[in-house]
Amino acid sequence: AQKVTQAQTEISVVEKEDVTLDCVYETRDTTYYLFWYKQPPSGELVFLIRRNSFDEQNEISGRYSWNFQKSTSSFNFTITASQVVDSAVYFCALRSSNTGKLIFGQGTTLQVKP
Amino acid sequence: DVKVTQSSRYLVKRTGEKVFLECVQDMDHENMFWYRQDPGLGLRLIYFSYDVKMKEKGDIPEGYSVSREKKERFSLILESASTNQTSMYLCASSTDRQGNRSFFGQGTRLTVV
Repeated sequence: AQKVTQAQTEISVVEKEDVTLDCVYETRDTTYYLFWYKQPPSGELVFLIRRNSFDEQNEISGRYSWNFQKSTSSFNFTITASQVVDSAVYFCALRSSNTGKLIFGQGTTLQVKP
Repeated sequence: DVKVTQSSRYLVKRTGEKVFLECVQDMDHENMFWYRQDPGLGLRLIYFSYDVKMKEKGDIPEGYSVSREKKERFSLILESASTNQTSMYLCASSTDRQGNRSFFGQGTRLTVV
């Protein structure tokens, strides 16, 4: 069975704080893909990053960084120096190479206060 | 830029009505998906399609059906709407089965009264 767990339902931080959103996944596939999406209040999901199961290199994009660890089946997302515009719901997702299904976690609502 | 368009942003329907949610993508994507989003449950896959006239059940297909007569259009059908189908519905498309990203529509908030 495939599953994605985002244990943090809601996180509230003050602007300029760093914040990490956790994501733990389960799959028996050897080839799979992990994603992070952002859902602002407008509702449309915005793609942030994709990682395949063979690439454990961490990635940094501006204030965003991602830590992929196969040993712990985790794909955590860190926002450095958070801003009010980062307030949104963030989803972690897993895609199986066999079925193509994209399975989402429950989502983490991030509120960044000024 | 890829565009996934859902026909309605907000919809209110009565219990027992047949409801059609339409989704159109403009980038010739093979794959299309329908999800529903509920608080605390994230996005759950209802149905998906890899090609015209092909469909596969997702995790929560009960009470829903789909239609894909043309590559660019994927319709979600609620045969007899019920109040527990009140939710946000999101359509997505992608190029193939593998790791390519999915593009999402803006969502349809359906209320069944």
